[in-house]
Amino acid sequence: QKEVEQDPGPLSVPEGAIVSLNCTYSNSAFQYFMWYRQYSRKGPELLMYTYSSGNKEDGRFTAQVDKSSKYISLFIRDSQPSDSATYLCAMSLTGNQFYFGTGTSLTVIP
Amino acid sequence: DGGITQSPKYLFRKEGQNVTLSCEQNLNHDAMYWYRQDPGQGLRLIYYSQIVNDFQKGDIAEGYSVSREKKESFPLTVTSAQKNPTAFYLCASNLGRLNQPQHFGDGTRLSIL
Repeated sequence: QKEVEQDPGPLSVPEGAIVSLNCTYSNSAFQYFMWYRQYSRKGPELLMYTYSSGNKEDGRFTAQVDKSSKYISLFIRDSQPSDSATYLCAMSLTGNQFYFGTGTSLTVIP
Repeated sequence: DGGITQSPKYLFRKEGQNVTLSCEQNLNHDAMYWYRQDPGQGLRLIYYSQIVNDFQKGDIAEGYSVSREKKESFPLTVTSAQKNPTAFYLCASNLGRLNQPQHFGDGTRLSIL
């Protein structure tokens, strides 16, 4: 079983829609959870970083962690064509070793 | 602007040739990492270094080598022993302490001639 599972998509939504991206994980000891956005031929860009369970909001983005279900989500409100990218989830025990999902490809159609 | 610079953006390797990918950071980060990204496989850790003159193998170190002579620099050499080197290579760094996420460069795409 992989440490982190992420549906690769592709996911296609109309502009203005709410997008929900999800990852599940197997190691209950993970404490730090991240979401990255990666445009084609670019490196991942850190979007959200959370510790333990709960919600964190930053503009149109909300990250949610449910440690009891070993499930994390990223919500994008009022999605824009510029949000079209691959979204990677990542998690860590200590901040030195990171485990990544395979990424979900998102297209926002104008 | 602070950041991580990877060069070159594209690189081609001939059979039997070693090639070196450059990674430089001016974020004053202690830890640096090399990942390989292949379609459908996510990021796989090749090597990482938490301090100068020290580094550890990751999950797929065979056929690769690194050095860490300066805090700012962590070059990766893809040797001829790496039989399937075609991939997107990403360098990352962080402070190496608890509660610190990684930041990435823009990658080097390596292809075989």
